[in-house]
Amino acid sequence: GDSVTQMEGPVTLSEEAFLTINCTYTATGYPSLFWYVQYPGEGLQLLLKATKADDKGSNKGFEATYRKETTSFHLEKGSVQVSDSAVYFCALSGIDKLIFGTGTRLQVFP
Amino acid sequence: ETGVTQTPRHLVMGMTNKKSLKCEQHLGHNAMYWYKQSAKKPLELMFVYSLEERVENNSVPSRFSPECPNSSHLFLHLHTLQPEDSALYLCASSHSAGTTNYGYTFGSGTRLTVV
Repeated sequence: GDSVTQMEGPVTLSEEAFLTINCTYTATGYPSLFWYVQYPGEGLQLLLKATKADDKGSNKGFEATYRKETTSFHLEKGSVQVSDSAVYFCALSGIDKLIFGTGTRLQVFP
Repeated sequence: ETGVTQTPRHLVMGMTNKKSLKCEQHLGHNAMYWYKQSAKKPLELMFVYSLEERVENNSVPSRFSPECPNSSHLFLHLHTLQPEDSALYLCASSHSAGTTNYGYTFGSGTRLTVV
């Protein structure tokens, strides 16, 4: 069945460092791919999405490119801030529901 | 403003209490969901409603009872809970249960503590 695999965290970075959070997927068909972010004490918020191969989703300095050949959707940011500390979830559009990864915690220190 | 509002934000209840969680959306969505998020566990999909009809129930104990009186409101009625039911309960909505390409919109959650 469809599935999403994310790198385990926590990812610990200093402010202004480069961020990559890996996400790979297994799916039949051509799903849409998403990154959600969950700040402490909050629900999940849609960060960005891509609906077809080679699409790049971007928002708030974060980017992810839909790579069909490697079945990946890695999240990147060139310079992280302390305020980016949160849990990041990769997800794909399954046949009848969103399929979520287990989440990756990012901790950014000043 | 996420478009999905959950109340209360925090709830502490004893094991013999009865309480309800409320979720409201005014996004014009036709599907609504309850998720459970426990520490160090993946998100658990509990219930799915499509056009006020329950379409999925993922082996959730009967002490959790959902209700969807209309497409804008979703409730989770709780009774005789156990301490292991303490978690963040998230509500979400989407255009329809069978169309996932637009993703879901989540509420901020209710932090439930069972004592």
